Amino acid sequence: QQQVKQSPQSLIVQKGGISIINCAYENTAFDYFPWYQQFPGKGPALLIAIRPDVSEKKEGRFTISFNKSAKQFSLHIMDSQPGDSATYFCAASKGDYKLSFGAGTTVTVRA
Amino acid sequence: SQTIHQWPATLVQPVGSPLSLECTVEGTSNPNLYWYRQAAGRGLQLLFYSVGIGQISSEVPQNLSASRPQDRQFILSSKKLLLSDSGFYLCAWSGAETQYFGPGTRLLVL
Repeated sequence: QQQVKQSPQSLIVQKGGISIINCAYENTAFDYFPWYQQFPGKGPALLIAIRPDVSEKKEGRFTISFNKSAKQFSLHIMDSQPGDSATYFCAASKGDYKLSFGAGTTVTVRA
Repeated sequence: SQTIHQWPATLVQPVGSPLSLECTVEGTSNPNLYWYRQAAGRGLQLLFYSVGIGQISSEVPQNLSASRPQDRQFILSSKKLLLSDSGFYLCAWSGAETQYFGPGTRLLVL
């Protein structure tokens, strides 16, 4: 069974808008939550990551919000640009060197 | 800095033929190594991972096998390919929790 549930499967946003991707998990042993960005035909690249002792982390236009009590975390892409069009994966790890990935969200930014 | 290589980049193979995909990592020692498969438009499925030379853990039963003959080399193999083996194969390495992916190999089995 999938340990990390990701939604939506896809989204379309206008240039300059905000993209929001949500992930939920059940295993409270997870203590590391990265997000990956994947362009077509390329391998995923680490975008940003957070640990549960922090409720928010921002890097440029990308922000992770983390709600430990709800066991949810989300990625916000501010001022979305056409170059942000990609598939985004959330993931979680409990320190055993394996990542549990969400199913992915395809983001399309319309100019 | 660390670099991960995969080859070939693309491969078209007939059903029943053997397979060998190679992954090498530079700039780090004793990495954890991983093989994933990604079907078209789908998520990442972990196939194998290795924490050291000769140490392979399989995540799903399948037609594939993996080997780690050297510290920074990871090989994915099959004796007889199936149509269902088509996909995008990704190798990754990690030193701790963060995994870093290679460029991938696109495999089409006909």
